[in-house]
Amino acid sequence: AQTVTQSQPEMSVQEAETVTLSCTYDTSESDYYLFWYKQPPSRQMILVIRQEAYKQQNATENRFSVNFQKAAKSFSLKISDSQLGDAAMYFCAYRSGRGGSEKLVFGKGTKLTVNP
Amino acid sequence: DVKVTQSSRYLVKRTGEKVFLECVQDMDHENMFWYRQDPGLGLRLIYFSYDVKMKEKGDIPEGYSVSREKKERFSLILESASTNQTSMYLCASSSPGLAYAYEQYFGPGTRLTVT
Repeated sequence: AQTVTQSQPEMSVQEAETVTLSCTYDTSESDYYLFWYKQPPSRQMILVIRQEAYKQQNATENRFSVNFQKAAKSFSLKISDSQLGDAAMYFCAYRSGRGGSEKLVFGKGTKLTVNP
Repeated sequence: DVKVTQSSRYLVKRTGEKVFLECVQDMDHENMFWYRQDPGLGLRLIYFSYDVKMKEKGDIPEGYSVSREKKERFSLILESASTNQTSMYLCASSSPGLAYAYEQYFGPGTRLTVT
C-alpha cells in the first residue's frame, strides 16, 4: 500500500519570504499523480498544484512550485513571496495511475503560519 | 464553479443515535468520497462511490455506512454514534479519469461531536 509522509507538523515563515514544505511517499508503481492541497482555517480544501509522475518538468502555479524527485520519492512544495493568505494546513496526496483507481492517500498535513 | 455542499457545519449527537451526514455536488461528478479528518492523522477515507448505488470501503469503514441513490447526493450514516466518531467529516467529488487524475473538490466539512 502507498504511504505519504509529511515530516513537518508545523512550519512558519515571514511574509514575503520563501518556505518549503516536505513530502515523501512510498510506492512500487511507476505511474502516479501527486497533489498539494491547501485547507485555510474554517474554509474548504482546495487544490494548489498537481504533478504527473511521467513528467520530468516540475509543476508551477504562480508563487507555488514543486521539486519532484522521482527516484528519491520526494515531492516538496515551495511557496515564494509568502502572503498572509497562505496560512493554512497543507496536505500532500498520492493517486495511483492505474485506470479506475480514484482514491487519494493523504499525508498528515503541515500547518503553515505566516508572520507579518 | 464546482460546488460541494454538506448539510451541516456543526452537529451534536448523543451516543447511540443514528446520524446522517448529507453531501450534494452540482457538477455531475461520478465519484464521491467521505473522509474523516483528525488532528495529527490527516484525512482518512471512509467510503467512496463510483456511481449511483455503488459503494466501496475505504480505509476506515467500521461503524459507518453510505447511501447513493442519486448521482449528486452521497450520504454517510453512523448507525449508532459513539464518542470515538467525534471528528470533522469531509465530502469530496471528482470526475473519473482513466488517463488523467482529476482533482477532488471538497465540501466545507461537518464537525460532529458525539456526547
